[in-house]
Amino acid sequence: KAGVTQTPRYLIKTRGQQVTLSCSPISGHRSVSWYQQTPGQGLQFLFEYFSETQRNKGNFPGRFSGRQFSNSRSEMNVSTLELGDSALYLCASSLPSGGGTDTQYFGPGTRLTVL
Amino acid sequence: GIQVEQSPPDLILQEGANSTLRCNFSDSVNNLQWFHQNPWGQLINLFYIPSGTKQNGRLSATTVATERYSLLYISSSQTTDSGVYFCAVVVSSGGGADGLTFGKGTHLIIQP
Repeated sequence: KAGVTQTPRYLIKTRGQQVTLSCSPISGHRSVSWYQQTPGQGLQFLFEYFSETQRNKGNFPGRFSGRQFSNSRSEMNVSTLELGDSALYLCASSLPSGGGTDTQYFGPGTRLTVL
Repeated sequence: GIQVEQSPPDLILQEGANSTLRCNFSDSVNNLQWFHQNPWGQLINLFYIPSGTKQNGRLSATTVATERYSLLYISSSQTTDSGVYFCAVVVSSGGGADGLTFGKGTHLIIQP
């Protein structure tokens, strides 16, 4: 099976702009989670989608949003970019068992730089 | 929220040495995973191990859920083992919060 794919791999934006990142899960996986990795804060959970619904959300401002499509592909959007949004954004997919007991498989990430 | 502490933060070893990485967590968990982050940033799954012991080649892991810690063992280290190793958990009482909580990682350098 193909792994989790993310596009684009690298992105440069300027403050105030918005950005959309895409994630395609492993075939058969219906849960998609997003994480942000920065040198200062480490890896932090953004949100999780299952069956086109956001099931869980981490502690991030409303500028961070996402959605999931009927084919389980997911996008996340960051509006009004700030310098502190520069990070590696990782997407993970898992089976739909729920309860947090599923193995999560990560994509290669999108490295976002905000100038 | 749950606290996940990894030790040591940094480890430098010679090729061929063995190492033990530790992960302590502050609450009951129903998911614990170990990852290796490669130089390009991708997180590679090593183990899904909320309890018990597993082995995969030169790597093995043990989680003692009742004492809230997990250990990752790397034997006969190779330079390709270099990178950052993360432990990540999901709390049992999360009420549906299924996101992984990560430790800060152990940065492992294997010298030839």
